[in-house]
Amino acid sequence: DVKVTQSSRYLVKRTGEKVFLECVQDMDHENMFWYRQDPGLGLRLIYFSYDVKMKEKGDIPEGYSVSREKKERFSLILESASTNQTSMYLCASRRGTSSYNEQFFGPGTRLTVL
Amino acid sequence: LAKTTQPISMDSYEGQEVNITCSHNNIATNDYITWYQQFPSQGPRFIIQGYKTKVTNEVASLFIPADRKSSTLSLPRVSLSDTAVYYCLVAYTSDYKLSFGAGTTVTVRA
Repeated sequence: DVKVTQSSRYLVKRTGEKVFLECVQDMDHENMFWYRQDPGLGLRLIYFSYDVKMKEKGDIPEGYSVSREKKERFSLILESASTNQTSMYLCASRRGTSSYNEQFFGPGTRLTVL
Repeated sequence: LAKTTQPISMDSYEGQEVNITCSHNNIATNDYITWYQQFPSQGPRFIIQGYKTKVTNEVASLFIPADRKSSTLSLPRVSLSDTAVYYCLVAYTSDYKLSFGAGTTVTVRA
């Protein structure tokens, strides 16, 4: 059974803290994605990675960075958390580089920044 | 800027057919339309995908008219367990952008 796991289901941090969200997939997928999900806005792409050490900005990369040192792991970093980054964060992976391939999502991390 | 739009919510009753239309005006010939379903406390999961005419699987059907500016997800004979948020996604091959709609909350009542 294919699996995408995220390090935390719930996370509470303070303004200004550095936050790491980890995502691991066991499907040997080349592509990995980070989205944030907010009511009324759906899923918005923050960053994605085509392969190890490769990254591309999505639609809302400001305030975030990413790291992909190993194929199975994709990390989202909030350098200095702010209250407007309170959201649900979803990680996904996808086989190959075809944009129409199915994405497999993790369960999400609900981040609250106080 | 490519934009994918869908209704915010839809209500239905058990046994009825639910049709959700997604608008994607800037779609190109080879761009695919994919639908995902999301239950509370879970990530979205793939339901169906297509790029022209009609696609059917054991869960749903996807209708795409000739002009491809919209598409309709059809859920036949819904049950209470079909209550979820449904997302339309267009994968644009021109710039490799992924455009999710804001999601449609479908509520099925007994």
